[in-house]
Amino acid sequence: GAVVSQHPSRVICKSGTSVKIECRSLDFQATTMFWYRQFPKQSLMLMATSNEGSKATYEQGVEKDKFLINHASLTLSTLTVTSAHPEDSSFYICSASEDRDYGYTFGSGTRLTVV
Amino acid sequence: GQNIDQPTEMTATEGAIVQINCTYQTSGFNGLFWYQQHAGEAPTFLSYNVLDGLEEKGRFSSFLSRSKGYSYLLLKELQMKDSASYLCAVRVDYKLSFGAGTTVTVRA
Repeated sequence: GAVVSQHPSRVICKSGTSVKIECRSLDFQATTMFWYRQFPKQSLMLMATSNEGSKATYEQGVEKDKFLINHASLTLSTLTVTSAHPEDSSFYICSASEDRDYGYTFGSGTRLTVV
Repeated sequence: GQNIDQPTEMTATEGAIVQINCTYQTSGFNGLFWYQQHAGEAPTFLSYNVLDGLEEKGRFSSFLSRSKGYSYLLLKELQMKDSASYLCAVRVDYKLSFGAGTTVTVRA
């Protein structure tokens, strides 16, 4: 089946630094990738939708200058959290879709802790 | 915005049956998904309904009534490994909106 690899699984960074999270579709071409954030015991909240070769579409309330998304190829999307602050500490999950009419495959998630 | 409601927690005994309800009010509807998520892990796909009725897949079944904005996930013959969070998600256009998840605890 479809596999999505997400790295790193855990990262601790200092406040003010930037962190890059990668999401790769291993055995299919992902025309669309999604980035979610999940706080403890809360739902997954969609942050943005990225389409290969075009700008990401951000959900309301998500700062696009803070959460930079790049989808340079059909198998790779990256999320960069810039100038991270402790309140950015969360579980970030990507998902990929080969065809929007079909299902979504999730990455294994990245636990970000900003100290 | 999208409104998707499901109970916060449920507890059941090993071997029993549990039904997790999900009600939704969304600006559109292109299908409803159920996912299982263990703590600290990514969600894994369980079921998908786009037409009214029951979809059965092994020990798991999912039901949908679009007119009522209602779905349920039925877990049969519960096993300890079924202890997890179960997420209801509605697709509107191509985006998924998730409920807060129902934490199911299976007791011996």
